[in-house]
Amino acid sequence: GQSLEQPSEVTAVEGAIVQINCTYQTSGFYGLSWYQQHDGGAPTFLSYNALDGLEETGRFSSFLSRSDSYGYLLLQELQMKDSASYFCAVTRLNGQGGKLIFGQGTELSVKP
Amino acid sequence: TAGITQAPTSQILAAGRSMTLRCTQDMRHNAMYWYRQDLGLGLRLIHYSNTAGTTGKGEVPDGYSVSRANTDDFPLTLASAVPSQTSVYFCASSPGLADNEQFFGPGTRLTVL
Repeated sequence: GQSLEQPSEVTAVEGAIVQINCTYQTSGFYGLSWYQQHDGGAPTFLSYNALDGLEETGRFSSFLSRSDSYGYLLLQELQMKDSASYFCAVTRLNGQGGKLIFGQGTELSVKP
Repeated sequence: TAGITQAPTSQILAAGRSMTLRCTQDMRHNAMYWYRQDLGLGLRLIHYSNTAGTTGKGEVPDGYSVSRANTDDFPLTLASAVPSQTSVYFCASSPGLADNEQFFGPGTRLTVL
């Protein structure tokens, strides 16, 4: 089978740093992505890791350890607008190509 | 650029009725997807298409059908709706099937009574 685990909710204060963890179990693992969703709107792509290590994009960074089946999203200098749901997603390859399997999402609340 | 559009925005449907959710993209992406999102369950893949003329089943395909007659359109049909199909439906696209950045439409909120 396949599964992804991430915390259901996280709370942090404006200006702080927060880390959202994701552990996964899946066959055919190809990479780990992160998506952001505000208030049930369209999810938007944040980052992708295919190799071990840290990928940085502005205030957001994403990390992957393939040997540990683990990754995280790091948000720095938190702003109120970062309050949203964050989903990790595994790209799983099979004979028909790659498909995304999403975690259940982490709701981040940023407080003043 | 519109990106991906979905119609309708929301719909209330009587159980047993059929319904087609529309999805159109103008990015000339080869791959398209349909997801449903339920509270606490994240996004689950219903069906996908890696190019015009081909479709495949995702995690939760039962009760749904799709077609891909051309690159731009990927309609999702519920032949006989049931209350468990109450959900928010998102259409997405990507340049290729293995591309990790998918572009999502605004969603259709469907309630089956």
